[in-house]
Amino acid sequence: RKEVEQDPGPFNVPEGATVAFNCTYSNSASQSFFWYRQDCRKEPKLLMSVYSSGNEDGRFTAQLNRASQYISLLIRDSKLSDSATYLCVVNKGGTGGFKTIFGAGTRLFVKA
Amino acid sequence: EAQVTQNPRYLITVTGKKLTVTCSQNMNHEYMSWYRQDPGLGLRQIYYSMNVEVTDKGDVPEGYKVSRKEKRNFPLILESPSPNQTSLYFCASSLFQGDQRDGYTFGSGTRLTVV
Repeated sequence: RKEVEQDPGPFNVPEGATVAFNCTYSNSASQSFFWYRQDCRKEPKLLMSVYSSGNEDGRFTAQLNRASQYISLLIRDSKLSDSATYLCVVNKGGTGGFKTIFGAGTRLFVKA
Repeated sequence: EAQVTQNPRYLITVTGKKLTVTCSQNMNHEYMSWYRQDPGLGLRQIYYSMNVEVTDKGDVPEGYKVSRKEKRNFPLILESPSPNQTSLYFCASSLFQGDQRDGYTFGSGTRLTVV
């Protein structure tokens, strides 16, 4: 089982739709969490950090559920420009040392 | 402009011919890291560096070398490239390991093909 798992998609949604992605992680020692966005053939870019209390940035809302070990990203009022791959990222510590683990990504296509 | 600069962007080489991919950051970041990205596998860490002269193996270090002689530079060396090293490579840096506020800044990537 992968340490960080995401539904690969693709998610195909019309403009204006609300779409939600989930990500599960297997290691309870995980300490911090992020969502990155990656456009085709480009580098990943930080979208937002994910805090226990949940956080919102415009149309984007991230939630963390430590008990169930999952992270979610909600995009409201989808735009064409939201089409990209969304990467779930987990930092964990422990006896093996600090580690950053990337999920394989969820592809989103927003259509007119 | 704050950035991570990787070169070259594209490289086609032959098996066994040593190559170096350069990475430089201008943000005075302590932490730097190399990743490779392959379809369906996500980004996998090759090597990382906590600071000057401090480097350590990531998940897939075999066939790669790195050095960190200066804070800004973190080159990736393939002494004898093989076709299974064909991949998309990213250099990334952060102020420190695990920076939650700003996360990683990535370079634009190097698409390497080994024939």
